[in-house]
Amino acid sequence: ETGVTQTPRHLVMGMTNKKSLKCEQHLGHNAMYWYKQSAKKPLELMFVYNFKEQTENNSVPSRFSPECPNSSHLFLHLHTLQPEDSALYLCASSQGTSGGANFYEQYFGPGTRLTVT
Amino acid sequence: AQSVTQLDSQVPVFEEAPVELRCNYSSSVSVYLFWYVQYPNQGLQLLLKYLSGSTLVKGINGFEAEFNKSQTSFHLRKPSVHISDTAEYFCAVSPGGKLIFGQGTELSVKP
Repeated sequence: ETGVTQTPRHLVMGMTNKKSLKCEQHLGHNAMYWYKQSAKKPLELMFVYNFKEQTENNSVPSRFSPECPNSSHLFLHLHTLQPEDSALYLCASSQGTSGGANFYEQYFGPGTRLTVT
Repeated sequence: AQSVTQLDSQVPVFEEAPVELRCNYSSSVSVYLFWYVQYPNQGLQLLLKYLSGSTLVKGINGFEAEFNKSQTSFHLRKPSVHISDTAEYFCAVSPGGKLIFGQGTELSVKP
């Protein structure tokens, strides 16, 4: 595997379900990100992790719970979601969040298309 | 605070015609600038980036962009498009530490 992978690629869940999205990066990066992409809206940054520590949470509802056990893996745990949470969830990684211009270039996974019924 | 405006939400163009996708940004500090492309059902792929130096930046697939500091713009151009260039294009700025994206421009190339 190369680059950034995400599983599953598609997920349909009911509002009472609990599910998790997984992201793995094979680039040796130290920072990882979760974005939400809804139709006709700009990408929304949800969470940032740097060296496994959460450095940013953009007022994301608590029904989204991130976990970063190491610099290569990032999870997004989902529970009691709402239909408006249906979207494409993108994971990205970069060398870091500080240290120079090349550190900020982000590499994206293919995304998980989430549908909440 | 930084922001990015992509001036066109949709750009239809015929195959082999030139195209320009416009991007303006606002920032009180120096920024790094990026263009990403998203093909249907895929993630974002980096097309090109401006970090410093020459204001004309060349990227993959024949795209280029010019950084204009006085006009705070970073427009993307291609002299001759192909059907395969049909995708959504995102301009992004980074003041450092994270990316701030524009709303995206849907490029539709018709035969």
